[in-house]
Amino acid sequence: DGGITQSPKYLFRKEGQNVTLSCEQNLNHDAMYWYRQDPGQGLRLIYYSQIVNDFQKGDIAEGYSVSREKKESFPLTVTSAQKNPTAFYLCASKREGFGETQYFGPGTRLLVL
Amino acid sequence: QKEVEQDPGPLSVPEGAIVSLNCTYSNSAFQYFMWYRQYSRKGPELLMYTYSSGNKEDGRFTAQVDKSSKYISLFIRDSQPSDSATYLCAVSGGYNKLIFGAGTRLAVHP
Repeated sequence: DGGITQSPKYLFRKEGQNVTLSCEQNLNHDAMYWYRQDPGQGLRLIYYSQIVNDFQKGDIAEGYSVSREKKESFPLTVTSAQKNPTAFYLCASKREGFGETQYFGPGTRLLVL
Repeated sequence: QKEVEQDPGPLSVPEGAIVSLNCTYSNSAFQYFMWYRQYSRKGPELLMYTYSSGNKEDGRFTAQVDKSSKYISLFIRDSQPSDSATYLCAVSGGYNKLIFGAGTRLAVHP
């Protein structure tokens, strides 16, 4: 089955710790995205990547980092510089040249201990 | 002013009702309009996608775009308890960026 997988489902971070969220897709999509969702708010774009080895900052990139070494994978690291990391993190992908529709993974909930 | 405004609700309706969900947007350059459904603690799933103006129907769902008013709507006919979810509108002017509304929580009670 084609789709987007995110792991882990839940993640706990201690103060001062960096944590990495995994996102993998087997849809052969070119573009991948990371969003943050807080209660009662819409999705806010953290980073996106249109091709391998290239990525762009979104609206709230501070305290986050990404890499895109493979087309299928777009991991997100939440660094210790992100002071309010508790949120629901969503990964999405899109096929270039087929409109603007993005398809989402199941999400990772990050909690601070 | 936010680029996309959406009433967060919650909206509570009886089973079988017609539901109307709405968003307004500020930038007339937006050409792509989407509605996503998100169940609690799950990722959003695409419901409807419309390019430019007009209506689009898929089963019990109808998406409507009025570019002159910068207003988009999603209608759900014969609503079911399984329709209880948060509905997110999203708009785009291209350039690989979607802008989301805050989402409307819908509860359909038997």
